[in-house]
Amino acid sequence: EDKVVQSPLSLVVHEGDTVTLNCSYEVTNFRSLLWYKQEKKAPTFLFMLTSSGIEKKSGRLSSILDKKELFSILNITATQTGDSAIYLCAVEVSGGSEKLVFGKGTKLTVNP
Amino acid sequence: DTGVSQNPRHKITKRGQNVTFRCDPISEHNRLYWYRQTLGQGPEFLTYFQNEAQLEKSRLLSDRFSAERPKGSFSTLEIQRTEQGDSAMYLCASTDGRNYGYTFGSGTRLTVV
Repeated sequence: EDKVVQSPLSLVVHEGDTVTLNCSYEVTNFRSLLWYKQEKKAPTFLFMLTSSGIEKKSGRLSSILDKKELFSILNITATQTGDSAIYLCAVEVSGGSEKLVFGKGTKLTVNP
Repeated sequence: DTGVSQNPRHKITKRGQNVTFRCDPISEHNRLYWYRQTLGQGPEFLTYFQNEAQLEKSRLLSDRFSAERPKGSFSTLEIQRTEQGDSAMYLCASTDGRNYGYTFGSGTRLTVV
């Protein structure tokens, strides 16, 4: 069974801290790994990673994939209260039909 | 409107009633997905359409659940004889399979009382 595991499940930090969120996976037909940010409603897309070792960056957020060790990390530097959200890691799997398999998410709380 | 639209946003229903949700995907997207998310969990795959064809259904989708995508445009998800365990957020997502990412709608939050 395809599995995606995120850690930690919950994290509380102060504004200005740097955080690292982890995502490991065991799937049979890997296509890509995606990170989403979820506030009260729809998950919003952050990054899609397909190649090992290539860092994707967007402002204070960055992510990298290790396909050999089957994990990805999401880094957020200089955190702000607006970064408070659930961060979801999903692996797109293929083989029949393509779909996303999600982890449980990491709930990040950034205190002022 | 370039996003995925879902309605209603909220639905409260009594146990045993039938409910239907609608999803309007991004118009160029041929692939449409339904996911269910409960508190403290990531979204779980329910079913997938490519154009009008329903290509995969999860084991989570009992006989009380049915989904359609007539003409490959909008989709509906119907739950018959609702149970309290059906209470969840139902998310719809679409993609064209070429560009990156799946775009999610804001979801329909179902509460069965």
